Amino acid sequence: GNSVTQMEGPVTLSEEAFLTINCTYTATGYPSLFWYVQYPGEGLQLLLKATKADDKGSNKGFEATYRKETTSFHLEKGSVQVSDSAVYFCALTSSGNTGKLIFGQGTTLQVKP
Amino acid sequence: EAGVAQSPRYKIIEKRQSVAFWCNPISGHATLYWYQQILGQGPKLLIQFQNNGVVDDSQLPKDRFSAERLKGVDSTLKIQPAKLEDSAVYLCASSLGAGRTGELFFGEGSRLTVL
Repeated sequence: GNSVTQMEGPVTLSEEAFLTINCTYTATGYPSLFWYVQYPGEGLQLLLKATKADDKGSNKGFEATYRKETTSFHLEKGSVQVSDSAVYFCALTSSGNTGKLIFGQGTTLQVKP
Repeated sequence: EAGVAQSPRYKIIEKRQSVAFWCNPISGHATLYWYQQILGQGPKLLIQFQNNGVVDDSQLPKDRFSAERLKGVDSTLKIQPAKLEDSAVYLCASSLGAGRTGELFFGEGSRLTVL
């Protein structure tokens, strides 16, 4: 079945540093790919998504490109802020088009001033 | 627009006791999901409803977990009897419909501690 692997955390960066969080997937068919973010004390919320190969999702300065040839969807941001400190989850739709999402284990990002 | 509402936010029980969690999805959202998130892991789907009907409950431990969605709106997830390994955050999410491009909207979760 479909699955997602994320890089282990925690990731600790200084403010204005460049961020990459790696995500690779295994899937049958053509899944959609997502990044969700969980800020402290809040629920999961969608950060960005891509629905087909070579699509780039972007939001709040974050970007990720759907790479079918490398089965990857790495999250990047050019200059992180303290307010970006959160847990980031990569996810994909399961086979069967039911809308069900399969999540990676999450990567904690801590940004220090 | 009101988000997904869940209650209670926190619950502490002893093993073998029972507990129930409630979820009210975003108005008009036909699809409702219950996920279990164990500390340090990503959310795992327990059950998915489309209106009143169950779409996927393949990972629901049916000997102890049950869920219902009466009238296609609110939903309740019950655990009876609870085990230590049920300690987790139970997340409810909803979406307009099932499909490969839809966004899921999550509640803040109900944190369960089983002693």
